[in-house]
Amino acid sequence: DAGITQSPRHKVTETGTPVTLRCHQTENHRYMYWYRQDPGHGLRLIHYSYGVKDTDKGEVSDGYSVSRSKTEDFLLTLESATSSQTSVYFCAISEGGLYNEQFFGPGTRLTVL
Amino acid sequence: GQNIDQPTEMTATEGAIVQINCTYQTSGFNGLFWYQQHAGEAPTFLSYNVLDGLEEKGRFSSFLSRSKGYSYLLLKELQMKDSASYLCAVRDPLSAGNMLTFGGGTRLMVKP
Repeated sequence: DAGITQSPRHKVTETGTPVTLRCHQTENHRYMYWYRQDPGHGLRLIHYSYGVKDTDKGEVSDGYSVSRSKTEDFLLTLESATSSQTSVYFCAISEGGLYNEQFFGPGTRLTVL
Repeated sequence: GQNIDQPTEMTATEGAIVQINCTYQTSGFNGLFWYQQHAGEAPTFLSYNVLDGLEEKGRFSSFLSRSKGYSYLLLKELQMKDSASYLCAVRDPLSAGNMLTFGGGTRLMVKP
């Protein structure tokens, strides 16, 4: 299994507070991704990174920012959390390989009250 | 734009065969993936198709027709542990980041 961890695994916060989720990999993969998963919507891409300090927006990037200062860490920040950002957040990585498939972290369940 | 459709739910019986369909309309195509996701867990990679035809992997097979924008995942000899969601995803060849667009997923319930 790819070495991907996410922290925290669970978080409850209040509307208006900043929140940072961390994704850490030990695979030295180039690409990293943040998704959110909600009932009825499947997995939707928030932001992705194709190298250190190289990031771009995905389908649902409003209200989120990211940073990647080193290969192994990809941070997702909610500057001012809203109830609509209550979701399960998955990090994924990919690099080469036979199919260049994405490997997913265990997820973070975020509740915004 | 990207549009990927899958049935929301399916039910099948242990020991039977089930086919989960996925249709896509995307601005580009560079491969189709199937992932399995058990409740409360992360998605895990099942199969990949980039050329037309059938790819077989044990009890699981995946088929692709690029001209029809269609794929299916075939699960044989169903087991209770196959109860999960199955996610279809298409890779965008134009993105700098090896991006995938996912369908909403098909929740499969296997009954005794």
